[in-house]
Amino acid sequence: EPEVTQTPSHQVTQMGQEVILRCVPISNHLYFYWYRQILGQKVEFLVSFYNNEISEKSEIFDDQFSVERPDGSNFTLKIRSTKLEDSAMYFCASRERGGRDEQYFGPGTRLTVT
Amino acid sequence: ELKVEQNPLFLSMQEGKNYTIYCNYSTTSDRLYWYRQDPGKSLESLFVLLSNGAVKQEGRLMASLDTKARLSTLHITAAVHDLSATYFCAGNTGTASKLTFGTGTRLQVTL
Repeated sequence: EPEVTQTPSHQVTQMGQEVILRCVPISNHLYFYWYRQILGQKVEFLVSFYNNEISEKSEIFDDQFSVERPDGSNFTLKIRSTKLEDSAMYFCASRERGGRDEQYFGPGTRLTVT
Repeated sequence: ELKVEQNPLFLSMQEGKNYTIYCNYSTTSDRLYWYRQDPGKSLESLFVLLSNGAVKQEGRLMASLDTKARLSTLHITAAVHDLSATYFCAGNTGTASKLTFGTGTRLQVTL
């Protein structure tokens, strides 16, 4: 069964460093999302991406964040200058056009900022 | 803006008992979703509820949707230990169909 994959599974970085989180969505899906979950808290929407552009973003997704689909298969989330409060689990999700509108989630990347 | 609330936040129940998790949402949502999350793991889709009165069942879990009351429920029948996890409901809004999650209900089933 097709699935969303994410790399790395765990990333440790120092405050102020740039990180890139990578996702490979399901191949026939057209909508892509990033969510984050701070430990023990609920899942929060960051950004959605469709047709090579951001379709919606939350107030969390400020100028320090960016997304890209560089090569037609990968979908990346970049944090330019990480802060301690960026420590969280980051989930990528994708969905196909139409259908049940169900989003399929990847296994997540645990980001730890020290 | 859609807001989603769940209760209870934590539920400890004995094996064999029944219980219900409630999910209230503030404005119209196109769909209502239930996800399961095991500790340190990703979100596993359980149910997608599409319309008023929708009821779906899978094993010991049954989800329902009342759009007029803006309420969805997840009913657990004769709980078993394997159901221990955190359960999230979520609604979707906007053209991009972003998900807005509830706070989650941590379910612990004890022997």
